[in-house]
Amino acid sequence: QKEVEQNSGPLSVPEGAIASLNCTYSDRGSQSFFWYRQYSGKSPELIMSIYSNGDKEDGRFTAQLNKASQYVSLLIRDSQPSDSATYLCAATNFGNEKLTFGTGTRLTIIP
Amino acid sequence: DGGITQSPKYLFRKEGQNVTLSCEQNLNHDAMYWYRQDPGQGLRLIYYSQIVNDFQKGDIAEGYSVSREKKESFPLTVTSAQKNPTAFYLCASSISSAYNEQFFGPGTRLTVL
Repeated sequence: QKEVEQNSGPLSVPEGAIASLNCTYSDRGSQSFFWYRQYSGKSPELIMSIYSNGDKEDGRFTAQLNKASQYVSLLIRDSQPSDSATYLCAATNFGNEKLTFGTGTRLTIIP
Repeated sequence: DGGITQSPKYLFRKEGQNVTLSCEQNLNHDAMYWYRQDPGQGLRLIYYSQIVNDFQKGDIAEGYSVSREKKESFPLTVTSAQKNPTAFYLCASSISSAYNEQFFGPGTRLTVL
């Protein structure tokens, strides 16, 4: 059973600080990783994709991938109250038509 | 506007009824997916389709059916055989199943009365 694990939270972070979200996966064959943001009552929104070891930055977001340790993380710099949401991690093998999702981490940014 | 639309936004069903949820995309994506989300749980795959006139069961296909007669459309029918249909249903699409960046529609919230 391929699994993607996330701490359900809630994770509380002061406004302006760095929020760090972590995700581990069990399938060593996983090659593609995705972070989705989901506001309460809304659908998931893709915010980051990462395919290679190392860091990938996009604005205030940085995704980090370590395949040897089988973890993916998402850093949010200068956290804003609008970042308060549930963040879903997902993984798949290249060419695999199915994504495996974690259950999500609920993030709250405290003004 | 390019995107994925789902209708209706809210749907109420009596026990024993079949209902059909609509999903349409104008992104020219080949692959389409249906997920179910329950409170506090992750997304669970119901059905997916990589090309027109072809689809595969996901992890929880029992009690559901789909069709893919057009590239743009992937409707989901929730049948009376589905024992616990109350959930948030999400449709997604991707350029192809090989490049699995999936984009989601706004969702349909189904409640069984």
